Amino acid sequence: DGGITQSPKYLFRKEGQNVTLSCEQNLNHDAMYWYRQDPGQGLRLIYYSQIVNDFQKGDIAEGYSVSREKKESFPLTVTSAQKNPTAFYLCASSLRDGSNSPLHFGNGTRLTVT
Amino acid sequence: GESVGLHLPTLSVQEGDNSIINCAYSNSASDYFIWYKQESGKGPQFIIDIRSNMDKRQGQRVTVLLNKTVKHLSLQIAATQPGDSAVYFCAELMDTGRRALTFGSGTRLQVQP
Repeated sequence: DGGITQSPKYLFRKEGQNVTLSCEQNLNHDAMYWYRQDPGQGLRLIYYSQIVNDFQKGDIAEGYSVSREKKESFPLTVTSAQKNPTAFYLCASSLRDGSNSPLHFGNGTRLTVT
Repeated sequence: GESVGLHLPTLSVQEGDNSIINCAYSNSASDYFIWYKQESGKGPQFIIDIRSNMDKRQGQRVTVLLNKTVKHLSLQIAATQPGDSAVYFCAELMDTGRRALTFGSGTRLQVQP
């Protein structure tokens, strides 16, 4: 089955630790995205990548980092600099840079930092 | 499941009725719009999309209407079913600059049996 896999579904970390969220897609999509979702709010864009070895900051990139070494993988690192890291993180991909093609989402990773 | 959208506006309808979910988008330069459905604990699921050169598009039991004059998007669901209960988001893609979707804050649809 083609799709986007995010792992793990639930992740717990202590404050001050960096943590990396995994996102893998086998849809052969060029573009990949990371969004954050908090209760009562829509999705907010953290980072996106239109092509391998290239990525751009979204609206709330501070405290996060990404890499895009392979087409199918776009891991997100939540660093200790992120002030409020507890959230639901969603990864998505699309055929190109979102140009008239819908994003396909994974089922998210719930990160809890205490 | 995940508690997304705890304080979202809620639309409550009876099973079998038609539902209309509205969205005001932010940028007149947006040229592509999508409706997503999100169930608790899952990622958003694509429902239907529309380009700015259209004002209406129909799918299976769903219709999207676009009014560019007032920057308004609506999703109509015919014969609403309990399985339609979810949070619905509209998203827009701007014609210039960043080519990544911007999402609205969502509406919770509750279908009463």
